[in-house]
Amino acid sequence: DAGVTQSPTHLIKTRGQQVTLRCSPKSGHDTVSWYQQALGQGPQFIFQYYEEEERQRGNFPDRFSGHQFPNYSSELNVNALWLGDSALYLCASSRQGVETQYFGPGTRLLVL
Amino acid sequence: AQRVTQPEKLLSVFKGAPVELKCNYSYSGSPELFWYVQYSRQRLQLLLRHISRESIKGFTADLNKGETSFHLKKPFAQEEDSAMYYCALSGKSSSNTGKLIFGQGTTLQVKP
Repeated sequence: DAGVTQSPTHLIKTRGQQVTLRCSPKSGHDTVSWYQQALGQGPQFIFQYYEEEERQRGNFPDRFSGHQFPNYSSELNVNALWLGDSALYLCASSRQGVETQYFGPGTRLLVL
Repeated sequence: AQRVTQPEKLLSVFKGAPVELKCNYSYSGSPELFWYVQYSRQRLQLLLRHISRESIKGFTADLNKGETSFHLKKPFAQEEDSAMYYCALSGKSSSNTGKLIFGQGTTLQVKP
């Protein structure tokens, strides 16, 4: 089991563009959470998906949206990118009802 | 407000010295507390969780509900303990389905 995988590893975009990040959960996991980690900060919760629905959302604007597929993998979409969206985006997976989350290596997004 | 505070950005100790990484939290309810660790060039990984009451790599952490603290301790630091440590909490309520709230992290530097 490769654990949680994310793609791409790095991405460079310009302001106003849109980006899609992808995540495959650990085998046996059905819940996916996304976090944004700015430089020098702890991860901040964006949202969580379970049964292909957004269950909970953090304090992020509607420009941030997501999707979960029947195979439990997930996408994070960010529209109208700002410079401030430059960060490491982490995906974490877990089993429903189990608190422990396992993290992927992250996608580093740079917005110029 | 739900919050995790790690007051030290950097903690530098010599090999063999005791280590205490501080974590204080604010949460109305009964949270679950975690310590995550990120070694250089590796992904964020769970170190320990309070309900397990176990010792991992010589580290322990006791939940003090009166002081709302969950400090991480190790009696004798090793050079391989050098890493970034994050304290995190997760709550169980209808409005919190397991999202993790992280502190800003403490860099532990163990000098030879």
